[in-house]
Amino acid sequence: DTEVTQTPKHLVMGMTNKKSLKCEQHMGHRAMYWYKQKAKKPPELMFVYSYEKLSINESVPSRFSPECPNSSLLNLHLHALQPEDSALYLCASSQGQGAYSGNTIYFGEGSWLTVV
Amino acid sequence: AQSVTQLDSQVPVFEEAPVELRCNYSSSVSVYLFWYVQYPNQGLQLLLKYLSGSTLVKGINGFEAEFNKSQTSFHLRKPSVHISDTAEYFCAVKAGNNRKLIWGLGTSLAVNP
Repeated sequence: DTEVTQTPKHLVMGMTNKKSLKCEQHMGHRAMYWYKQKAKKPPELMFVYSYEKLSINESVPSRFSPECPNSSLLNLHLHALQPEDSALYLCASSQGQGAYSGNTIYFGEGSWLTVV
Repeated sequence: AQSVTQLDSQVPVFEEAPVELRCNYSSSVSVYLFWYVQYPNQGLQLLLKYLSGSTLVKGINGFEAEFNKSQTSFHLRKPSVHISDTAEYFCAVKAGNNRKLIWGLGTSLAVNP
């Protein structure tokens, strides 16, 4: 059973809508991640938070806006998305995220997003 | 720069047969190596990882992998597969001085009865 919980599991939104994806972990991890995954492809890193501060932004369009309210929670705010943004969005966490670290990244089940 | 190559995009195999999923990496520095599995319509789950020490790593669900530094490989093996092993398998590498995990393109394992 995954210890990273994501809601909602499925989301359909129009291109003018504003919605949010939510993620929670209770493993005491200090790094949290958002990944985007298309079918049969590897996950693509979007954002990393380390100790509640944004440490990596992989040049993600501003229509995706991450937020880390505390060390257990991670949100992804969505606004004015395009149909090509339809994908599985995975939240993940790890104990740390620094260099020279082999920490395991634990993934949630994902949120399936469809933009119509 | 680091990279990961999964040599087979699809591997069909019959139930109870052995399987090997191949992964090669390139890096000029020491690496940490991971295998993740993704069952249909689910997130990714760690199968096993190599950090240091013994080159033979045992993971969950009867899988194991061997780190071969001279051949820069980390192949995943299972002596007898089940239908339930049908999934997408991803090899990933993290080089010592890089904060990011670099992913292979994945291998789709299809176990047939």
